Amino acid sequence: SQTIHQWPATLVQPVGSPLSLECTVEGTSNPNLYWYRQAAGRGLQLLFYSVGIGQISSEVPQNLSASRPQDRQFILSSKKLLLSDSGFYLCAWWGGARAGAYYEQYFGPGTRLTVT
Amino acid sequence: AQSVTQLDSHVSVSEGTPVLLRCNYSSSYSPSLFWYVQHPNKGLQLLLKYTSAATLVKGINGFEAEFKKSETSFHLTKPSAHMSDAAEYFCVVSGTPGSARQLTFGSGTQLTVLP
Repeated sequence: SQTIHQWPATLVQPVGSPLSLECTVEGTSNPNLYWYRQAAGRGLQLLFYSVGIGQISSEVPQNLSASRPQDRQFILSSKKLLLSDSGFYLCAWWGGARAGAYYEQYFGPGTRLTVT
Repeated sequence: AQSVTQLDSHVSVSEGTPVLLRCNYSSSYSPSLFWYVQHPNKGLQLLLKYTSAATLVKGINGFEAEFKKSETSFHLTKPSAHMSDAAEYFCVVSGTPGSARQLTFGSGTQLTVLP
């Protein structure tokens, strides 16, 4: 079965520091991968998605970036964090219709980021 | 383009009473629809999905939802609430078939279950 990992689970970083969040998927190949952010009291905001290695689509302009160095690895980064970057970051994957998943996504456990 | 509206940001019910979480959608094609649940500081878990088969969809933990095309609704129900149902619930509509951008999320409904 497929499993999605995220780390770290929680992170407290000062303003202006760099960020690297990692997401890996097991049990599937060539998945679509997604990064979402959930700010306090808000719904999910799609930040980036990737349909393959090195292919990144950005949804909103921001000081975050994403990379996909390997098929099942998706990284969210920032060079300098802002207070507004605080939130709950979720990684998700979609294995495609061949996996019997009709456009649903499967979510990782999330990373709670607090920028101080 | 597609959109989804969750009509209540907060719903409070007593344990053992029915749950109704309302969701309306708009889409220019025949969408797939989903309900996810999120407990505090956890990822999202799929409760159920509608993918153009039976209009009454049964999910996990006793939840079900009915797709009503004429009303463009996909309300989530449960006959009897449990304390463990307290969580945030998201109604989600699929994107353009074949589009990698995939899903549009509602703003969420926080369900409180009172003892």
